[in-house]
Amino acid sequence: KNEVEQSPQNLTAQEGEFITINCSYSVGISALHWLQQHPGGGIVSLFMLSSGKKKHGRLIATINIQEKHSSLHITASHPRDSAVYICAVMRQGGNKLVFGAGTILRVKS
Amino acid sequence: KAGVTQTPRYLIKTRGQQVTLSCSPISGHRSVSWYQQTPGQGLQFLFEYFSETQRNKGNFPGRFSGRQFSNSRSEMNVSTLELGDSALYLCASSLMGYYEQYFGPGTRLTVT
Repeated sequence: KNEVEQSPQNLTAQEGEFITINCSYSVGISALHWLQQHPGGGIVSLFMLSSGKKKHGRLIATINIQEKHSSLHITASHPRDSAVYICAVMRQGGNKLVFGAGTILRVKS
Repeated sequence: KAGVTQTPRYLIKTRGQQVTLSCSPISGHRSVSWYQQTPGQGLQFLFEYFSETQRNKGNFPGRFSGRQFSNSRSEMNVSTLELGDSALYLCASSLMGYYEQYFGPGTRLTVT
């Protein structure tokens, strides 16, 4: 079993819909990252969080340390949000990221 | 502030050859991490350098090596290339390693 599991693997939404991507992990962590990767490969770090909730524009990330679970929400989705969203965790005591398989999001207009 | 840069962006090599990829971190960042991304395995950690020392290493064979210079620029080297080494190689820089990571655009390596 992978240390980081994401769901769903693929997601198609209509423009304007509220989107949720989930991430579960099985190890102790010091931080969890949400990353966005557009076609062509470039990766952008959206959030790094170790507790609670963070918001940036239409994006919201939450984490529940006790349940080892995080969610990424996109409000009022837009076609430009179409990308691969990757959850990654930094293990406690370590300095390397362990990645989920990613969620491919397509937002249709 | 300039972002993370990687050179070259694209590379085609023949099986058995060796390759060196370069990464220049954001000014002031002392940690550089390298990752391999393939369709089959996804993103995997290769190694991390901090102040010219390798601090962490992933589960890759010894053909994969790296180094970091005093100006924090880093290089990774793959010797005796195999077809399976075809991948997108990404580097990321961070202030201290456990802070937020900033990714470069990647080097797409094709081994024929």
